[in-house]
Amino acid sequence: GAGVSQSPSNKVTEKGKDVELRCDPISGHTALYWYRQRLGQGLEFLIYFQGNSAPDKSGLPSDRFSAERTGESVSTLTIQRTQQEDSAVYLCASSLDGLSYEQYFGPGTRLTVT
Amino acid sequence: RKEVEQDPGPFNVPEGATVAFNCTYSNSASQSFFWYRQDCRKEPKLLMSVYSSGNEDGRFTAQLNRASQYISLLIRDSKLSDSATYLCVVSPNTGFQKLVFGTGTRLLVSP
Repeated sequence: GAGVSQSPSNKVTEKGKDVELRCDPISGHTALYWYRQRLGQGLEFLIYFQGNSAPDKSGLPSDRFSAERTGESVSTLTIQRTQQEDSAVYLCASSLDGLSYEQYFGPGTRLTVT
Repeated sequence: RKEVEQDPGPFNVPEGATVAFNCTYSNSASQSFFWYRQDCRKEPKLLMSVYSSGNEDGRFTAQLNRASQYISLLIRDSKLSDSATYLCVVSPNTGFQKLVFGTGTRLLVSP
């Protein structure tokens, strides 16, 4: 079946612009996660959605970052007033539920801020 | 100190060799442990879970030492296709699986 999909695959933007990154989780997966992977570094947790519960935003690095999820489907990560340090690969993952160990990752969006 | 620490490598080994990676974690309350594999410019994929009793999956063996807070991965009879970055991942005892990733150990298997 279809895996986690993300769009765009690559995004180049100018410093100060806003960007929106999209994630389509695996159908039926109630949990959705966003991570960031900077060059040469490990994945950093950003935000977690579980069903209709309030999201866990504890990993968002600043108030320029926000995310929404429509029901148990698509999620959008928005970065406002992008900075060069926002350049990274943004990975989305989904799992059957918040207790499921296995998170399935999408291919990521490579964001470059010039 | 990073929550999960790994030797970045690279580990260069010939085909057929046995190679071992270790990682250490700082949160003694961590409850779940995994090894993920990440190919160059690809997404991470779960390789195996790690249990206190140790577990084996074909050529791969994972061990957990809670007292010393380290996790190991042993790969026997290395294949060219094993070349990748291996990520050590732990999960704290929270209500959901908030994974904490190490930076990874790069393995290069040569002919």
